[in-house]
Amino acid sequence: QVTLRESGPALVKPTQTLTLTCTVSGFSLSTSGMCVSWIRQPPGKALEWLAVIDWDDDKYYRTSLKTRLTISKDTSKNQVVLTMTNMDPVDTATYYCARSPGSLYSIYPLDYWGQGTLVTVSA
Amino acid sequence: QSVLTQPPSASGTPGQRVTISCSGSSPNIGSNIVNWYQQLPRTAPKLLIYATTQRPSGVPDRFSGSKSGTSASLVISGLQSEDEADYYCAAWDDSLNGAYVFGTGTKVTVL
Repeated sequence: QVTLRESGPALVKPTQTLTLTCTVSGFSLSTSGMCVSWIRQPPGKALEWLAVIDWDDDKYYRTSLKTRLTISKDTSKNQVVLTMTNMDPVDTATYYCARSPGSLYSIYPLDYWGQGTLVTVSA
Repeated sequence: QSVLTQPPSASGTPGQRVTISCSGSSPNIGSNIVNWYQQLPRTAPKLLIYATTQRPSGVPDRFSGSKSGTSASLVISGLQSEDEADYYCAAWDDSLNGAYVFGTGTKVTVL
């Protein structure tokens, strides 16, 4: 059974760095083609894709946030980590991680999603 | 802002056919497959259509997807009350140094 679970702080202060962890089970991050993405959704707004890391450690980032984002993985711990620097109240959102069994730029979709974690940015 | 444009809302009575459009451009829908996600209230998104026209196991066949040029469509044939949700199209965009883009989202209401 494939599951993804996001964890991290519920509240961060402006200018702080956010670190979120996605712990996966039911599949391996080292399986050829496997990818994990981070997506966020501000309250009442649309989904925004943030970043993806694949089994071979290739990474892609949302262009507008590229300077603030870092995605990494620890295969031995079955975890994918997203850091976002210089947090601002506009970054308040529910953050999701999701799996794709192959590259997003080919035919593969985000087929399993975590339940999401709400991060509020406030002083 | 999103590069895939959807109507903010759509509605119909039970049994009606509802179509949701997703307008993109050459680097995204024009060059790549389209996926659709359904987000029921207060839940995580769920994959509804992949590779433009394919339904994952368990998705009812009243949902169908298509694409023509730089636009895609999701059709719900025979709308049901449990279909009331937000729907998002998505595609890879070759122009943004490689990025996955979601549509602006469409809220479907069952009248």
